[in-house]
Amino acid sequence: SAVISQKPSRDICQRGTSLTIQCQVDSQVTMMFWYRQQPGQSLTLIATANQGSEATYESGFVIDKFPISRPNLTFSTLTVSNMSPEDSSIYLCSVFSQETQYFGPGTRLLVL
Amino acid sequence: GQNIDQPTEMTATEGAIVQINCTYQTSGFNGLFWYQQHAGEAPTFLSYNVLDGLEEKGRFSSFLSRSKGYSYLLLKELQMKDSASYLCAPVGAGNMLTFGGGTRLMVKP
Repeated sequence: SAVISQKPSRDICQRGTSLTIQCQVDSQVTMMFWYRQQPGQSLTLIATANQGSEATYESGFVIDKFPISRPNLTFSTLTVSNMSPEDSSIYLCSVFSQETQYFGPGTRLLVL
Repeated sequence: GQNIDQPTEMTATEGAIVQINCTYQTSGFNGLFWYQQHAGEAPTFLSYNVLDGLEEKGRFSSFLSRSKGYSYLLLKELQMKDSASYLCAPVGAGNMLTFGGGTRLMVKP
């Protein structure tokens, strides 16, 4: 299995600011994923982060709003830029390891 | 595109059996995951089916029919702690998971 940690676990931010979320995995993985889960809804994939290449964004998500870094095989960051209250959500890091997809504990973001 | 359908809510009694159905349409198919998610927590892995048939793991079993685009999760001997959302997630082309809306299960005494 893969053990995933995220920082921060939660934050309250002001409109217009940016927050960077960190994801650390205890093993090397090729693909890391960033998901968003808005209140009462299921998970939506934001982007796939591959080491050594640019992230691949899903429809409705753009790099300017959600820049991603993937400096090595165990770490990734997601930045939520120029935040608005609509960005209030749980952001989850996820990895695919040994035919199973594992999730981090999530970062709970509230934008005022 | 991807289309996943599962019931929004189900209620069952402690000790009983409940079956949560999921139908899906995906671009490519590389298996199907079921996850459990308690309120305010991250999803946790329950099962992964890639071949047709039933996979049993303790109180939880998962079934897959690829030709019908259908899966179900079977929970036996329900316990109060099983109250959670259950997410069906088929794996499409490029090993990409798509999540259904989830089924919120309420277990009553």
